[in-house]
Amino acid sequence: GIQVEQSPPDLILQEGANSTLRCNFSDSVNNLQWFHQNPWGQLINLFYIPSGTKQNGRLSATTVATERYSLLYISSSQTTDSGVYFCAGPNTNAGKSTFGDGTTLTVKP
Amino acid sequence: AAGVIQSPRHLIKEKRETATLKCYPIPRHDTVYWYQQGPGQDPQFLISFYEKMQSDKGSIPDRFSAQQFSDYHSELNMSSLELGDSALYFCASSLLLASTDTQYFGPGTRLTVL
Repeated sequence: GIQVEQSPPDLILQEGANSTLRCNFSDSVNNLQWFHQNPWGQLINLFYIPSGTKQNGRLSATTVATERYSLLYISSSQTTDSGVYFCAGPNTNAGKSTFGDGTTLTVKP
Repeated sequence: AAGVIQSPRHLIKEKRETATLKCYPIPRHDTVYWYQQGPGQDPQFLISFYEKMQSDKGSIPDRFSAQQFSDYHSELNMSSLELGDSALYFCASSLLLASTDTQYFGPGTRLTVL
């Protein structure tokens, strides 16, 4: 199966700062999703982004499929952005998703 | 919009007991996936079903079994529970023929084995 690597593993920010999270994958993925896992354990889907760039409020994501990486940008971070961010993707249509190890983000007031 | 429903949300069991987790996919979704997330770990794929047939299998112990029923809901049955089975269990659903095969995750079932 594919390998998914995320960096950095941990990130501590002051409220209002910007950040970039990276996801590298070892093989082509059929799609890529970014998730935010909140302190209650819920996996919130942020983006479905097999390629290109998408934006949703303070969050945006870019996937360069030919170079096998994706970036998640968080601007003007808030304390509620704290949690673990995962990227995940299958390499076949409707296949199982392989998750990266996650980036734990802590935003301090 | 309807989301993936999982029940129960929390479950406490003793070692060697059995547990059944239920998943109700988004209406019209034909594919269901089960994932297990241990403490401090990322979610790991267990098993998936497409149109009520098993479509893929991951690191699922032999003590676990699952099926998808005619109404597309799925159940994960876990027997002879061990302490190491304590985890968050997620169900996700997708529509195979959709233009985007986004997997939508349920809220998870937190299983604690004492």
